[in-house]
Amino acid sequence: EDKVVQSPLSLVVHEGDTVTLNCSYEVTNFRSLLWYKQEKKAPTFLFMLTSSGIEKKSGRLSSILDKKELFSILNITATQTGDSAVYLCAVRKKSSGDKLTFGTGTRLAVRP
Amino acid sequence: NAGVTQTPKFQVLKTGQSMTLQCAQDMNHNSMYWYRQDPGMGLRLIYYSASEGTTDKGEVPNGYNVSRLNKREFSLRLESAAPSQTSVYFCASSIHSEMNTEAFFGQGTRLTVV
Repeated sequence: EDKVVQSPLSLVVHEGDTVTLNCSYEVTNFRSLLWYKQEKKAPTFLFMLTSSGIEKKSGRLSSILDKKELFSILNITATQTGDSAVYLCAVRKKSSGDKLTFGTGTRLAVRP
Repeated sequence: NAGVTQTPKFQVLKTGQSMTLQCAQDMNHNSMYWYRQDPGMGLRLIYYSASEGTTDKGEVPNGYNVSRLNKREFSLRLESAAPSQTSVYFCASSIHSEMNTEAFFGQGTRLTVV
């Protein structure tokens, strides 16, 4: 059975802190790993990772994939209150109709 | 830009009632999906449609049916609602199953079954 496990489940930090969110997976025929941010409503796309060791970066957010150890991390530096959200990790398999298997998410709260 | 549009945004049903959740996308995407999100459970796939005219079961299909009416629209039907179907439902779409791109999500439907 495919598994996507995120840790920690929740996290409270202060503005300016750096956080690292973890996502480990056990799937056959791995194709890609995606990170989403979910505030009140729809998840919004952050990154898609397909190759090990290549960092994807967007402003203060960055992510990297390790296909040997089967995990990814999402880093947020100099956190702001607007980063408060649930961060979702999802994995896509080959030959699976493009569907995504999600982890339970990490709830991040950034205090002023 | 509309993207993925779901209706209704909120709904309260009595046990045993039926309803259809509507989803439409205007991005010419081939693949569409229905997920449910429950506290502590993440997003779980109910049904998906890799292309117009095809549908397949996901992880939690029991109690649901779907129709891919055309390329734009993918509806989810609850024939006889149960309290266990209280959840937030998200529709999503992606361009094509072979292109490995991100999925875009609608704003969600909060359904309560009493």
